[in-house]
Amino acid sequence: GAVVSQHPSRVICKSGTSVKIECRSLDFQATTMFWYRQFPKQSLMLMATSNEGSKATYEQGVEKDKFLINHASLTLSTLTVTSAHPEDSSFYICSASRPTSGGALGYYNEQFFGPGTRLTVL
Amino acid sequence: GIQVEQSPPDLILQEGANSTLRCNFSDSVNNLQWFHQNPWGQLINLFYIPSGTKQNGRLSATTVATERYSLLYISSSQTTDSGVYFCAVRGGSNYKLTFGKGTLLTVNP
Repeated sequence: GAVVSQHPSRVICKSGTSVKIECRSLDFQATTMFWYRQFPKQSLMLMATSNEGSKATYEQGVEKDKFLINHASLTLSTLTVTSAHPEDSSFYICSASRPTSGGALGYYNEQFFGPGTRLTVL
Repeated sequence: GIQVEQSPPDLILQEGANSTLRCNFSDSVNNLQWFHQNPWGQLINLFYIPSGTKQNGRLSATTVATERYSLLYISSSQTTDSGVYFCAVRGGSNYKLTFGKGTLLTVNP
């Protein structure tokens, strides 16, 4: 269980176009999903938190008008990179938070990650 | 915010060797996860371990929450263990995971 998919896995687009990336939790419902960005040989940087049925919460320095997030259902969140430019080229990864039983410790939220989307803007 | 430091940044091993990766964090945590990012970019969950010790095959992890560190042990390493190992934590009322910079592990045949 706990499978998260992303589509597409790789996309190449021209500067000025918009690109939509889908993130789906395949075998569980996720009220909260997260979008990260990763540059080569660097760690993951959180861009925004996506909450089902409400507006996303963006991290400081992330342009909400450029990176549009929609969490329309408990299994789907989308990230749209609007008017993409070469500096938006990166590896985008989503994750979904799933309550997991910890036995006597009760439930805890574990994050599961999608396989990522490599965006190249020409 | 909480700071996460991982060491070593790079590690090269021969197949069959054992290794220990360390994660230090600056504040108390209620969530600590270890991940392996394979060469294709997929993050694979290894352990959820805010405290205590867990084992899964050749891998085990220990978190000493009172001393603010976690260790990931890899025994009898294989070439397929190569990749980046990340430690990520969440503390207090914060809902976000904060990632360390990772340890790049290369296992040579």
